[in-house]
Amino acid sequence: QAVVTQEPSLTVSPGGTVTLTCGSSTGAVTSRHYPYWFQQRPDQAPRTLIYDTANKHSWTPARFSGSLLGGKAALTLSGAQPEDEAEYYCLLSYSGAWVFGGGTKLTVL
Amino acid sequence: EVQLVESGGGLVKPGGSLRLSCAASGFTFNNAWMGWVRQAPGKGLEWVGRIKSETDGGTTDFAAPVKGRFTISRDDSKNMMYLHMNSLKTEDTGVYYCTTGGNWGRYRVLDYWGQGALVTVSS
Repeated sequence: QAVVTQEPSLTVSPGGTVTLTCGSSTGAVTSRHYPYWFQQRPDQAPRTLIYDTANKHSWTPARFSGSLLGGKAALTLSGAQPEDEAEYYCLLSYSGAWVFGGGTKLTVL
Repeated sequence: EVQLVESGGGLVKPGGSLRLSCAASGFTFNNAWMGWVRQAPGKGLEWVGRIKSETDGGTTDFAAPVKGRFTISRDDSKNMMYLHMNSLKTEDTGVYYCTTGGNWGRYRVLDYWGQGALVTVSS
């Protein structure tokens, strides 16, 4: 089974910009992996921020954006807010088999 | 508003069985693909499996750790989905989330999440 890798932890200053990445053990991440990004705050269910690389839901704050960057999927947060402190997970599809990354704990400090 | 409510969690012994239910509302259930994701205590998310709409064949797919032990079924007349878990292991312990793409249609399973049901496998 493929392994999906994320930074274990990142810190961003309030109002700052940070990029989280999502890599694949099988090689470069492409749009055919249909990358997803999820946010999970402590003691809450996950919520979906980004689907199919860069598409946002109606509830996704505009400061979040998804892309492909250097062979990885990326989630960029521009203008971090205190409420963005959370765990972020990516997911990649491998011919229909879905694999989550280990998560990135984002601290806003 | 899409709502997903899981039920049926609890304590079960290793080797035992348990059935989780997911009650869905706020979208056209019979057209929706549905799924399950779990999270072990203090750990990350893990995809468990999904079921297509009956229109798309109603077939299921599972992650390797649960294949052959878990099955998923749906009752479109009741807007319900079920996760049947057999031969449970201690490593199956965790919160199980019901997910769906709602009215987004085929291939979409991970757009909406329930609040989760806790399953504890322990002797």
